[in-house]
Amino acid sequence: RKEVEQDPGPFNVPEGATVAFNCTYSNSASQSFFWYRQDCRKEPKLLMSVYSSGNEDGRFTAQLNRASQYISLLIRDSKLSDSATYLCVVNPRRGGYQKVTFGTGTKLQVIP
Amino acid sequence: NAGVTQTPKFQVLKTGQSMTLQCAQDMNHEYMSWYRQDPGMGLRLIHYSVGAGITDQGEVPNGYNVSRSTTEDFPLRLLSAAPSQTSVYFCASSPGPLLPTDTQYFGPGTRLTVL
Repeated sequence: RKEVEQDPGPFNVPEGATVAFNCTYSNSASQSFFWYRQDCRKEPKLLMSVYSSGNEDGRFTAQLNRASQYISLLIRDSKLSDSATYLCVVNPRRGGYQKVTFGTGTKLQVIP
Repeated sequence: NAGVTQTPKFQVLKTGQSMTLQCAQDMNHEYMSWYRQDPGMGLRLIHYSVGAGITDQGEVPNGYNVSRSTTEDFPLRLLSAAPSQTSVYFCASSPGPLLPTDTQYFGPGTRLTVL
């Protein structure tokens, strides 16, 4: 099993739709979780960290399910500008750096 | 602030050539790292540094060297380029070891082709 797994998509959704992605991780000791956004041929940029209690930033909601070892990203009222690849990032050890693992990304295409 | 800068943006090498990818950040971050991104694979850590004078290997260090003489600069050296090193290379910096409050900032990337 890969350390971090994501459905590559693409998820094709109409403008205004709600879409959700999951990311599963294999290391139960993982401590830090992030969602990054990567536009085509650009660098990744932090979208949001994922906290144990779940957190929201505008139209974006991130949640952590430690029992089932996955994180999720929910996007409400999708905009054309949300089209991108969404990477999940897992840091397996508090204070660690060497084992930070990136998922391969989930591609989202928002269509008019 | 320029953030994280990388040069060159594009590079074509022949097998066996060596070169250095430059990376600089102006945010006074202690942590810097080099990743490569290949189709169908997540970003993979090549080398990283937790401060000037301190470097360590990541997941895929073979064929690459790094040094960190200043907080700002973290160059990546390809010793003898191979076609398997064709990839997109990203440099990144963060204020800490990727705790939930740490944002990692990436440079724009270097697209390297080895013939």
